[in-house]
Amino acid sequence: EAQVTQNPRYLITVTGKKLTVTCSQNMNHEYMSWYRQDPGLGLRQIYYSMNVEVTDKGDVPEGYKVSRKEKRNFPLILESPSPNQTSLYFCASSFRRGGGTEAFFGQGTRLTVV
Amino acid sequence: AQSVTQLDSHVSVSEGTPVLLRCNYSSSYSPSLFWYVQHPNKGLQLLLKYTSAATLVKGINGFEAEFKKSETSFHLTKPSAHMSDAAEYFCVVSDRTSGTYKYIFGTGTRLKVLA
Repeated sequence: EAQVTQNPRYLITVTGKKLTVTCSQNMNHEYMSWYRQDPGLGLRQIYYSMNVEVTDKGDVPEGYKVSRKEKRNFPLILESPSPNQTSLYFCASSFRRGGGTEAFFGQGTRLTVV
Repeated sequence: AQSVTQLDSHVSVSEGTPVLLRCNYSSSYSPSLFWYVQHPNKGLQLLLKYTSAATLVKGINGFEAEFKKSETSFHLTKPSAHMSDAAEYFCVVSDRTSGTYKYIFGTGTRLKVLA
């Protein structure tokens, strides 16, 4: 089954404790991205990757890091989480970026930073 | 600059009555437009997309949307609401800006279906 898998689904952590949210896709997609969803703001892009070893900032990259060492995986790293990073996070992948290409989304990771 | 405006943050309808979720966009080029649905505790699922072919687009679960360039609108409709349609819906525009494509999400419309 074609899917994007994120882990964990739910995470509560303390301020400053490094964490990683994993994302994996099995569709051989080149383009992957991370979004955060906040009430009344829709989804905002954090980082994206056009291919292996190619990443770039989205609209809200501050406080986040990513890596793309393999085509299927695109982890999101929070080196020193803060309460304003409490949010619902989605990983997405697509065959290419934009145009009429459909994006496939993971189930989401609900992160709470206390 | 590209933007998407979903005109209603909440919509309530009775089961069996029509659904209308409104979306207006601005775009410098010929855009691609999408509607995604998000059920509680689920990821986003594509309902339908417009990519410069037929202006009336049919999607899954009986939804459809009409691209109206003169009105810069892409409203989502369904003739008869079902309880399972209760979810949050996102309108998305994608077009070329500065040589690259980008998805822009609306702020979402939460649909409530009353029994």
